[in-house]
Amino acid sequence: AQTVTQSQPEMSVQEAETVTLSCTYDTSESDYYLFWYKQPPSRQMILVIRQEAYKQQNATENRFSVNFQKAAKSFSLKISDSQLGDAAMYFCAYSSDNYGQNFVFGPGTRLSVLP
Amino acid sequence: NAGVMQNPRHLVRRRGQEARLRCSPMKGHSHVYWYRQLPEEGLKFMVYLQKENIIDESGMPKERFSAEFPKEGPSILRIQQVVRGDSAAYFCASSPLGNEQFFGPGTRLTVL
Repeated sequence: AQTVTQSQPEMSVQEAETVTLSCTYDTSESDYYLFWYKQPPSRQMILVIRQEAYKQQNATENRFSVNFQKAAKSFSLKISDSQLGDAAMYFCAYSSDNYGQNFVFGPGTRLSVLP
Repeated sequence: NAGVMQNPRHLVRRRGQEARLRCSPMKGHSHVYWYRQLPEEGLKFMVYLQKENIIDESGMPKERFSAEFPKEGPSILRIQQVVRGDSAAYFCASSPLGNEQFFGPGTRLTVL
């Protein structure tokens, strides 16, 4: 079974600085999807960024980018120019390439942004 | 196009009562997933449904929990005879054909 690990329960970053959140996963499949979701205090799950495993190029969305290392099964999220609104729980998630497959989530990292 | 709707947003039940959680998927989405989030944990998959069919219920507890997605109307997650350990946030997600899932705002269930 696939598993997702986030080894940092909590992180903090100074406003305008850069922070990297770690995620590793375990799978025997070659094609899959990886996601980072943000969950603010409202508890809404907001998709931040997604990566297809067959794409070598790292995904980027504005201030958010990933470092996808397929061989190492690592999928870290970099947040540049951190803003107060970035404070939230961040969940790394895995989904098989199989049609309709459910998501497997990591335990989350709580990010605090210091003014 | 409205997002995934869940109601109620908050539900309080006493031990032994029944809880019914509703999820209306996005328009055009025929796939629904239910996840449970315990405090300070990530979301855990419970069940995957298509219209009138349960496709994967490998994450559902064997007793007291059931889910349906009828031809008409929302998907329902039903918990009978609730216990304190059922207190959690329950999230629904919907998907069109393909892989991406869109999450609802969740229902926070509190069992007294």
